[in-house]
Amino acid sequence: DVVLTQTPPTLSATIGQSVSISCRSSQSLLDSDGDTYLNWLLQRPGQSPQLLIYSVSNLESGVPNRFSGSGSETDFTLKISGVEAEDLGVYYCMQATHAPLTFGSGTKLEIK
Amino acid sequence: EVQLVESGGGLVQPGASLKLSCVASGFTFSDYWMSWVRQTPGKTMEWIGDIKYDGSYTNYAPSLKNRFTISRDNAKSTLYLQMSNVRSEDTATYYCTGNWFAYWGQGTLVTVSS
Repeated sequence: DVVLTQTPPTLSATIGQSVSISCRSSQSLLDSDGDTYLNWLLQRPGQSPQLLIYSVSNLESGVPNRFSGSGSETDFTLKISGVEAEDLGVYYCMQATHAPLTFGSGTKLEIK
Repeated sequence: EVQLVESGGGLVQPGASLKLSCVASGFTFSDYWMSWVRQTPGKTMEWIGDIKYDGSYTNYAPSLKNRFTISRDNAKSTLYLQMSNVRSEDTATYYCTGNWFAYWGQGTLVTVSS
């Protein structure tokens, strides 16, 4: 199975600060169809996960553009440009290139 | 408005069977692959499997394939997860998801304990 390693496990930020979360894969996530199926999810406290970014860098509809994704092959990054209070929660990367689909262990974002 | 509403969770004894349901609304259910994902009490996320839009094909996590079965009824816009011979490690919140993880239900908690 593909192992996704997220760092850091916890992150503390002030409002307006920019932060980044890393997700490293044990295998290349470049699919034979040319796409890279690496998504980012946010789970706010007490809520279900929500999709933020799909296929590395595509912003899901309705998601603020302070969120951005980048990377390729095995190294991926989620950046929040100007953290807001509503951004607190746990961020997960997940891959859908290789079966079984797998998730990272999560990065908890706290607001100072 | 897209809605996915899971039900069927609860307290079950080890070795028992349980069937979860997920009723979809607000989108054309029969157009989408659907998945089940679970989250353990320790917040670990695990993909269980998925099913093609017409129900003709399923994929499963190898560790669960022999005990879990995914099915759907497009006439009822409902997704199912049949769980058999449940174990304590199956204790989790179970989510149905669709449209490549853009849609999520609120989850249903399954607790396996004697």
